[in-house]
Order: sequence, then C-alpha cells, then structure tokens
Amino acid sequence: DAKTTQPNSMESNEEEPVHLPCNHSTISGTDYIHWYRQLPSQGPEYVIHGLTSNVNNRMASLAIAEDRKSSTLILHRATLRDAAVYYCILRIQGAQKLVFGQGTRLTINP
Amino acid sequence: GAVVSQHPSWVICKSGTSVKIECRSLDFQATTMFWYRQFPKQSLMLMATSNEGSKATYEQGVEKDKFLINHASLTLSTLTVTSAHPEDSSFYICSAGAGTARGSGNTIYFGEGSWLTVV
Repeated sequence: DAKTTQPNSMESNEEEPVHLPCNHSTISGTDYIHWYRQLPSQGPEYVIHGLTSNVNNRMASLAIAEDRKSSTLILHRATLRDAAVYYCILRIQGAQKLVFGQGTRLTINP
Repeated sequence: GAVVSQHPSWVICKSGTSVKIECRSLDFQATTMFWYRQFPKQSLMLMATSNEGSKATYEQGVEKDKFLINHASLTLSTLTVTSAHPEDSSFYICSAGAGTARGSGNTIYFGEGSWLTVV
C-alpha cells in the first residue's frame, strides 16, 4: 500500500481555519485520497475523499495538488468537537481494506 | 446513514478465559468486514479480513488460533479472543463497506469500538 506522511500533531484555535497536510508521493493513478478522523474512544469516522479535483462537503474541504503527491484537509471553522486524530489514507479503487498511518492529532484551543 | 455497531462496548475478563466481540452492519449487508486493534496513543492496526461464508484472512503476525473470526451471516462478524492475557487488552474496532464496490463510492463505516481489559 502506498504510504502517507502527516505531521504528528497540530494545534489551532476555535473558529479559525485549520489546514491539515498529507504527503503521498508514491500515490498511483488508481488511489483515492481518503480522510478519516477518530475522536477519543470511538471508531474512525469518514470525513471526505477525492481523486484529482478539490472536494467540498458539509464537514470539510479537500485540496489535492495537481501532481497528486500531496493533499490538504481544510476545516473552515474549527470547533472544540473537531479535536481528533485525522488520518489521511490512500485507498485503491474498489478496495475496502484501509491501512492507517499515524495520523495527525489536532488540538483545538478555546 | 449506514451504521456498524459493536457489542460489547467494554468488557473485563480474567486471564485464560475467552471473550467474544460482535460486529453488526445494521442497515446494509457486508460480505467483508475488517477487524483492527488499537493500543493507547497508537494508530489502528489491521488484524484480519472477515469473509462471509469462508475463512478469515489474517495479517502477518496475527495468530489465527488466538483471534478466532466467524462471519456466519451478511450482517454479523464475531471476533473471539481465546485464552486472553493482559497483553491482549486493547481497543478492538471493526469496519464494513456499504454500497457498491465499484470506484470508491462505497463508504467504509466503523463500529464504536470495544474495550477489552484482561485482568
């Protein structure tokens, strides 16, 4: 499985935007970029995914570099409930198995 | 939306006993489910792929005789930790995909997780 690299931790303030980076330089043409987050003592939760174009949904936006070797998850206005570990995962088209890296632990300050 | 539920949420058992954790897809059928374990402050580690009607596929280093997986129906997979020891204490999480397998259209849903403490 192609690997992703994320910062171990990030910190931001409530109601400010947060940009969570992810590097995936070995991504292949059939890999989708998925983001999940895990709140304390819970299972992971789907956030967003994309292939080449930037994507928006009610939770976040995903900006994908033109060469697809990196992406950024954007939380437009962080709340305390967004404090979680965010995982950037490459998922082969049609596959259900997800391999997790270390993720980024996001802390939101009031 | 699709929901995956685990039971129990937490369990305490004595060393040497076996404990079963259930994973159910509540409003969709899942021919394949996945089991993960997670130690505190660490990431999820994939243990095995649970296949409905056939044997599970275990990841390298995971003892299949210790972690028995049964996927007898399209909505239920069970993980049994046999002869549990304190080092088996962990957070166990299952996942399943809902929707068609084509493209990445099917979202993967995770259960709430099950805390196992072996004393």
